[in-house]
Amino acid sequence: AQTVTQSQPEMSVQEAETVTLSCTYDTSENNYYLFWYKQPPSRQMILVIRQEAYKQQNATENRFSVNFQKAAKSFSLKISDSQLGDTAMYFCAFRNSGAGSYQLTFGKGTKLSVIP
Amino acid sequence: DAGVIQSPRHEVTEMGQEVTLRCKPISGHDYLFWYRQTMMRGLELLIYFNNNVPIDDSGMPEDRFSAKMPNASFSTLKIQPSEPRDSAVYFCASSPIADTQYFGPGTRLTVL
Repeated sequence: AQTVTQSQPEMSVQEAETVTLSCTYDTSENNYYLFWYKQPPSRQMILVIRQEAYKQQNATENRFSVNFQKAAKSFSLKISDSQLGDTAMYFCAFRNSGAGSYQLTFGKGTKLSVIP
Repeated sequence: DAGVIQSPRHEVTEMGQEVTLRCKPISGHDYLFWYRQTMMRGLELLIYFNNNVPIDDSGMPEDRFSAKMPNASFSTLKIQPSEPRDSAVYFCASSPIADTQYFGPGTRLTVL
C-alpha cells in the first residue's frame, strides 16, 4: 500500500518570502501522479499543482513549483513571494496511474501560516 | 462552471437519526468520489463511482453507510443510524477519465 508522509505539521513564513513544504511517499509503482492540495479555513480543497511521474520536468503554476525527486520519492512544494491568502493546510497526495487505481492517498497535512 | 456542489454545508443531528448528504459533480466528469476528513484519520476515501456504477466501496466503514448515484449529475451518501463518531467533514469530488479530482466545499456533519 502507498503511504504519503508530510513531516512538518506546522510552518510559518514572512509575507513575500519563500517557503518549501516537504512530502515523501512510498510506492513500488513506476507510473503515478502526485498532487498538492490547499485547504484554507473555508475548508474547500483546492488543487494547487500536479506532477506526472514519467515527466522529469518539475511542474510550475505561477508562484508554486515542485521539486520532484523520483529516486528519492520526494515531492516538495515551493511557494515564492508568499501572500496572506496562502495561509492554509497543504496536503500532498498520491495516485497510481494504472487502470482502476483512482484512489488518492493523502498525507496528514502541513499547516502554513503567512505572517504579515 | 459551478464546480462540485454539495448540500447541506452543515448538518447537526442527533444520534440515531438518518443523515443524507448530497453531491452534484462537474458536468462531463465520469468519476465521483466520497471522502471523509477527521482530525484523527485525515482524509479517507469511502467509495467511488465510474459512470454511476460503484467501483470500490472498501472504505465504507460500516453497513450504516450507503451511497448511490442514480444518474450522472447526482449522488447521495446516507448514514443510518448516525452515531457521534460519524462527526466529520464529508467531501465529494469528481474527475474526468483518470485525471485530477476536483473537490466540493464539503459538508460538516455533527452528530450529538
